[in-house]
Amino acid sequence: EPEVTQTPSHQVTQMGQEVILRCVPISNHLYFYWYRQILGQKVEFLVSFYNNEISEKSEIFDDQFSVERPDGSNFTLKIRSTKLEDSAMYFCASSEGPGVGTEAFFGQGTRLTVV
Amino acid sequence: QKEVEQDPGPLSVPEGAIVSLNCTYSNSAFQYFMWYRQYSRKGPELLMYTYSSGNKEDGRFTAQVDKSSKYISLFIRDSQPSDSATYLCAMSINTGTASKLTFGTGTRLQVTL
Repeated sequence: EPEVTQTPSHQVTQMGQEVILRCVPISNHLYFYWYRQILGQKVEFLVSFYNNEISEKSEIFDDQFSVERPDGSNFTLKIRSTKLEDSAMYFCASSEGPGVGTEAFFGQGTRLTVV
Repeated sequence: QKEVEQDPGPLSVPEGAIVSLNCTYSNSAFQYFMWYRQYSRKGPELLMYTYSSGNKEDGRFTAQVDKSSKYISLFIRDSQPSDSATYLCAMSINTGTASKLTFGTGTRLQVTL
């Protein structure tokens, strides 16, 4: 069964360092998303991406964040200068369509710990 | 008022019980309603998806949407210990582009032997 794959599963980084979280969406999907979940809190939308550009972003997704689809299979989230409060589970998701009659499938997540 | 409200639980039931999980929402623009199951430190797994008022059944799971009351439910029949997880409701609006999901906080369910 096709699935969304995320690497690494766990990343520890020092405050102020840059991190790149990687995702391989399901191959025939065209819409890509990043969500995050701070421990004990709800899953929050960060950004959606379609046709090589951002469709929508939340207020969390500030200038420290960027996304990229560097090739035909990968989708990355970069945090330029990590802060302690960036510690969370980051989930990549993909969907075949924009949400009308389609569903988003989530990866297993990358646990980011900023120390 | 939060856009999506969900009782965090925990909810503990004996094996075989019928479980009722609920969410309320305030944004009448929400059109699509989903239930996800999340095991500890794992990604959300889609269980049910619906876009209309009424019931939708899939095996032991029934999703119910009442748009007039802004209330959605997930029923689990003959609950099993393997159903122990956090259940997240999620909703979205058709924007014509990639539609973001707005999640509830999740209800932690424990099914005991």
